[in-house]
Amino acid sequence: DVKVTQSSRYLVKRTGEKVFLECVQDMDHENMFWYRQDPGLGLRLIYFSYDVKMKEKGDIPEGYSVSREKKERFSLILESASTNQTSMYLCASIIGGVLNENQPQHFGDGTRLSIL
Amino acid sequence: AQSVSQHNHHVILSEAASLELGCNYSYGGTVNLFWYVQYPGQHLQLLLKYFSGDPLVKGIKGFEAEFIKSKFSFNLRKPSVQWSDTAEYFCAVNVYGNNRLAFGKGNQVVVIP
Repeated sequence: DVKVTQSSRYLVKRTGEKVFLECVQDMDHENMFWYRQDPGLGLRLIYFSYDVKMKEKGDIPEGYSVSREKKERFSLILESASTNQTSMYLCASIIGGVLNENQPQHFGDGTRLSIL
Repeated sequence: AQSVSQHNHHVILSEAASLELGCNYSYGGTVNLFWYVQYPGQHLQLLLKYFSGDPLVKGIKGFEAEFIKSKFSFNLRKPSVQWSDTAEYFCAVNVYGNNRLAFGKGNQVVVIP
């Protein structure tokens, strides 16, 4: 079974800090995604990557950057954290170039990030 | 970009009641459709999906959803809910040919024993 592991379940940081959220998948998936989940807003795509060193902006990339140096690891970076980035962050991965019936997105458990 | 609409963000009902959650999307092309569930403190799980074929899709835990193309809808139903169905439910749409999912805002469902 695919496992998507996010390094922290809970994280508390201060305004202005540089924050790294790490995600690792163990099934050699090409595509990885970062979402944020907020009450009443659902999941919104921040960034995604379809290959090592490749990245594309999602719907809300402002204030974030990403890094994909190795296929199994996709990092989300908050260059200078702000309180409006307090949220639940979800990582996901899928194999191949497109979704098909046997390749749904697999999600990690999420990181609940609080910026004070 | 396509949008996904879920109404009635908070739903409260008693055990054995029937549940129906609406999902409408705005994209007019070929789409793949999903319902995900997130139980308290757990990760997002796939409940059911539609790619093609029979528009009435049966998923896990007694859930089903019906794709009505003319109405751009993919409503989720369960005839008789249990306390363990308390969770947040998300509808998601994928445009055929790419790997992105657009999510609705979710329905928080609370089932009272």
